[in-house]
Amino acid sequence: DSGVTQTPKHLITATGQRVTLRCSPRSGDLSVYWYQQSLDQGLQFLIQYYNGEERAKGNILERFSAQQFPDLHSELNLSSLELGDSALYFCASSAGTPGYEQYFGPGTRLTVT
Amino acid sequence: GQQLNQSPQSMFIQEGEDVSMNCTSSSIFNTWLWYKQDPGEGPVLLIALYKAGELTSNGRLTAQFGITRKDSFLNISASIPSDVGIYFCAGRGGIQGAQKLVFGQGTRLTINP
Repeated sequence: DSGVTQTPKHLITATGQRVTLRCSPRSGDLSVYWYQQSLDQGLQFLIQYYNGEERAKGNILERFSAQQFPDLHSELNLSSLELGDSALYFCASSAGTPGYEQYFGPGTRLTVT
Repeated sequence: GQQLNQSPQSMFIQEGEDVSMNCTSSSIFNTWLWYKQDPGEGPVLLIALYKAGELTSNGRLTAQFGITRKDSFLNISASIPSDVGIYFCAGRGGIQGAQKLVFGQGTRLTINP
């Protein structure tokens, strides 16, 4: 158990809908990262937050957004969903300073039908 | 986005055999990491390497940070059934940014008893 929690574990929704994925980092970690893992792709970095502020952005679509709240939990919002958005979405957390490693949550499996 | 070249993509071995996999990149990294992912779970950190030439062990696992900073390998000795899973290398730092992780495509390890 990494100490990172993600909810829900599974999500099935229709095209065009909007969903919110939630992540609670390990106790004391200030940084949260979101990754997407599709069947034929590796883990793709989406976005990082550090202590409530966006720190780095990767290959995140404009239809996706994220935020980190004062209690340090984070939410990833996916809107106007398409079939191709079906994937595993992982959250990871770290203490935030370079040199502190990322620990991953169990993931949310999103299926868009 | 940039990805690492990880090989082999898959391995089928007998229990007790040694395993070797590697990752190469066209650009340098400051940190190399190796993760293992079991089906339906998030990646779990196995080994972190911070210095070119560094050789680090974790039980039956040994990993090295290449001298050029563009490659890394992971060896597993005397494989056992619980070693089954997907192994990912990840690089951090360099031109990609201080904390963003870039992942390889994974090596799927299957063990015949």
